Amino acid sequence: GDSVTQMEGPVTLSEEAFLTINCTYTATGYPSLFWYVQYPGEGLQLLLKATKADDKGSNKGFEATYRKETTSFHLEKGSVQVSDSAVYFCALINSGGYQKVTFGTGTKLQVIP
Amino acid sequence: DSGVTQTPKHLITATGQRVTLRCSPRSGDLSVYWYQQSLDQGLQFLIHYYNGEERAKGNILERFSAQQFPDLHSELNLSSLELGDSALYFCASSVGQGKFTEAFFGQGTRLTVV
Repeated sequence: GDSVTQMEGPVTLSEEAFLTINCTYTATGYPSLFWYVQYPGEGLQLLLKATKADDKGSNKGFEATYRKETTSFHLEKGSVQVSDSAVYFCALINSGGYQKVTFGTGTKLQVIP
Repeated sequence: DSGVTQTPKHLITATGQRVTLRCSPRSGDLSVYWYQQSLDQGLQFLIHYYNGEERAKGNILERFSAQQFPDLHSELNLSSLELGDSALYFCASSVGQGKFTEAFFGQGTRLTVV
């Protein structure tokens, strides 16, 4: 079945540091890939998405590129802020199925001033 | 504000009891999804309803059931509760089936079973 593997957290960075959160996936067909973010005390929000190979999703300074050859969708940001502290979830939906989203386990990011 | 409303926000109950969690989707959204988020198992898909009909089940226990009503709100019923059922339960809604674009999540109901 489909699966998503994320790097384990927590990840602790100083403000303005470079962020990478690794995400790899296993799926048949051609899945769409997503990053969701969960701020403390809130539900999940879509951060960015990519629907085909080599697409780059971007939002709020975050980027991720759909790499079919390495089955990866790593999240990056050039300069993190304290307000980026949250849990980040990588997710996919397989084009062959209906709309069940498979989530990774989440990576907690803590940014310190 | 995502537009998805979940009630109650917090629930504390004893083992063996039954509870009902409620979700009101965004206006116009026909699909409702339920997820369970626990510390040891991450985010688990439970069930999906579309326009009143069950469309898919994930890792949902037989003690759990759900339904979506004609006004599109949904309820998740959890019975014979066990300590391990303590978790955050999220509801999400989206416009409908077809190419998945975005699901909007509620703030969740935190269930504590004591």
